[in-house]
Amino acid sequence: AQKITQTQPGMFVQEKEAVTLDCTYDTSDPSYGLFWYKQPSSGEMIFLIYQGSYDQQNATEGRYSLNFQKARKSANLVISASQLGDSAMYFCAMREKGSSNTGKLIFGQGTTLQVKP
Amino acid sequence: EAGVAQSPRYKIIEKRQSVAFWCNPISGHATLYWYQQILGQGPKLLIQFQNNGVVDDSQLPKDRFSAERLKGVDSTLKIQPAKLEDSAVYLCASSRDRLYEQYFGPGTRLTVT
Repeated sequence: AQKITQTQPGMFVQEKEAVTLDCTYDTSDPSYGLFWYKQPSSGEMIFLIYQGSYDQQNATEGRYSLNFQKARKSANLVISASQLGDSAMYFCAMREKGSSNTGKLIFGQGTTLQVKP
Repeated sequence: EAGVAQSPRYKIIEKRQSVAFWCNPISGHATLYWYQQILGQGPKLLIQFQNNGVVDDSQLPKDRFSAERLKGVDSTLKIQPAKLEDSAVYLCASSRDRLYEQYFGPGTRLTVT
């Protein structure tokens, strides 16, 4: 069963506008973490933002915020004031704590974001 | 602080040949991960080391893939013999410990012809 679902293969946004990238997840573990990574064409995975399952407030990091809706099992990434350099692939990932405690990340399929000038 | 280093960045081989990738994690990081990322998909964990011991290799095709992390620092991932479906980007990541943030290297893009 797919644990991380990103339903938007590709998205366009106008420069300086906000954009939301969707992510839903599935887990029975009460303790888990959700991550968003950016992967530009160079290939490196760049960490953007983290949300823990017990965090009371939505995470924010500069222009990035995570809209965490626990009951709906969604963790959408909001990018405000889009810039041309935001054009990249974006991945949602989950880490279950579980009994094994390995820290393994499970990634979604990714969303390609293109920012138009 | 230097990031995760990987080499080579690109490799083209013919099927049935062998290939090896190298990863140097961030200094002091106990946990090292190898991920396989097929074009158009998210990365998939192949193997995870804690110091020089294997924590998880459940998705490693052990009939052709092998990995080691000698002395708990550098790691090598080997494929022998390679198949067409092994064409992918191989990403190495490291973290201070298992539940800390993972830092990724630039990846090695493998093409098997």
